[in-house]
Amino acid sequence: NAGVTQTPKFRVLKTGQSMTLLCAQDMNHEYMYWYRQDPGMGLRLIHYSVGEGTTAKGEVPDGYNVSRLKKQNFLLGLESAAPSQTSVYFCASSYSRGAYEQYFGPGTRLTVT
Amino acid sequence: GQQVMQIPQYQHVQEGEDFTTYCNSSTTLSNIQWYKQRPGGHPVFLIQLVKSGEVKKQKRLTFQFGEAKKNSSLHITATQTTDVGTYFCAPRGSQGNLIFGKGTKLSVKP
Repeated sequence: NAGVTQTPKFRVLKTGQSMTLLCAQDMNHEYMYWYRQDPGMGLRLIHYSVGEGTTAKGEVPDGYNVSRLKKQNFLLGLESAAPSQTSVYFCASSYSRGAYEQYFGPGTRLTVT
Repeated sequence: GQQVMQIPQYQHVQEGEDFTTYCNSSTTLSNIQWYKQRPGGHPVFLIQLVKSGEVKKQKRLTFQFGEAKKNSSLHITATQTTDVGTYFCAPRGSQGNLIFGKGTKLSVKP
C-alpha cells in the first residue's frame, strides 16, 4: 500500500496562475482533508470531504476549491494564485472524522512569486 | 473558533534530558490526538486519548489527558536525537474535525 500520495512535490507559480494539487489514497477511507502549514501556525484545515461527491469548507477555504469525484482522489485547486498562498500543503485521509487517526501525505511545497 | 494553546513553542534539550509539552483548551474536549512531524516530513499519528485522567505510555513517551478533559501533556523521558521534531496536539473540534495546535518544536543536542 502506498498510503496517501501527493503530486506534485514542489511547484513555483506566478501570481495569478492556476494549478491543481492531487491527493490519492489507497486505504478506502471515506474522509479526506486538505491542510496548509505555515511557519508557527500549525496545520489549518482548508477543505474536507466526508465521502465521494461531497466537499465542505474548513477553517481557511478562501481562494481554494476542491473536488472529490472518486473516493480515492481529492483535488485542491487554486484558480488565481496569490503570494499569501505560499505554503506547504498536506493531504490526509481517515476512516472517520475526529475519533480516528489521520494519515498524511508527504506534502506539496508551493511558492507563489 | 475553537482553539488550543500548546506550550512551549520551542524546547532545546541536551540528549538524555526529559521533555514535556502541554496542550490547553478553554472548553472540555471529547478526545485528543497527538502527532509528530520530523523535520521536512509529514505529521504521523502517535496516540489518541479519550477518557478523563487517561495515561498511556509508548516506550519513553507518556501521554496524559486531564481529569477535566481540558488539557493534555506529552512527556518524553531521556530524550534521544531521534525524538527531534515538532509535536502537535489535535483535539476533536465541535464540528467533528481535528483542531491542530501550533506545535512544540523539540531540538536535541547530542
